[in-house]
Amino acid sequence: DAKTTQPPSMDCAEGRAANLPCNHSTISGNEYVYWYRQIHSQGPQYIIHGLKNNETNEMASLIITEDRKSSTLILPHATLRDTAVYYCIVRGPYYGGSQGNLIFGKGTKLSVKP
Amino acid sequence: NAGVTQTPKFQVLKTGQSMTLQCAQDMNHNSMYWYRQDPGMGLRLIYYSASEGTTDKGEVPNGYNVSRLNKREFSLRLESAAPSQTSVYFCASTGRGDYEQYFGPGTRLTVT
Repeated sequence: DAKTTQPPSMDCAEGRAANLPCNHSTISGNEYVYWYRQIHSQGPQYIIHGLKNNETNEMASLIITEDRKSSTLILPHATLRDTAVYYCIVRGPYYGGSQGNLIFGKGTKLSVKP
Repeated sequence: NAGVTQTPKFQVLKTGQSMTLQCAQDMNHNSMYWYRQDPGMGLRLIYYSASEGTTDKGEVPNGYNVSRLNKREFSLRLESAAPSQTSVYFCASTGRGDYEQYFGPGTRLTVT
């Protein structure tokens, strides 16, 4: 079973920030938080990952709480093309083998509206 | 650099027929994966290959076989297709020490 809990759906106005929450209360000390998204039945696309510090890249920011039991993915200026299902996944460090496997839940369907 | 490619894109089978889904990556990745995705669900891992020459079962392996033909290619075979195997199948790969799993475009399979 997925180790994360996400709301099934969210709406966001175009141009506004989209904040997608994720609970991972059983996360272990060496497990990372990953975010992927899937646009309309395409293959999932990696967005960002983090261990305990906040992270930012060209696509998004990831805010992880100090106790690491929850996190928030932030899309700073959502566009219509950001409409997708967003998956929050907890995964151990990857050295080859099963610990590299991703366990997908149902994710959050984000709808960006004009 | 094509990334991860899958063939075919679409396939319709009758119950009991067999077929092989092909996957190839050109990123020199060690690990490759096969997932299935049913409507409204997240992806579920069928089989994976941590490195060339090894394969292991994932969450839902029944009814499938895999072959890691070489470092580039990882195929998924349905020996006797069943309607319950109607799904979208995704192949993915990742390199040792890499954080990102790269996915192919998917194969949409319908079994009637």
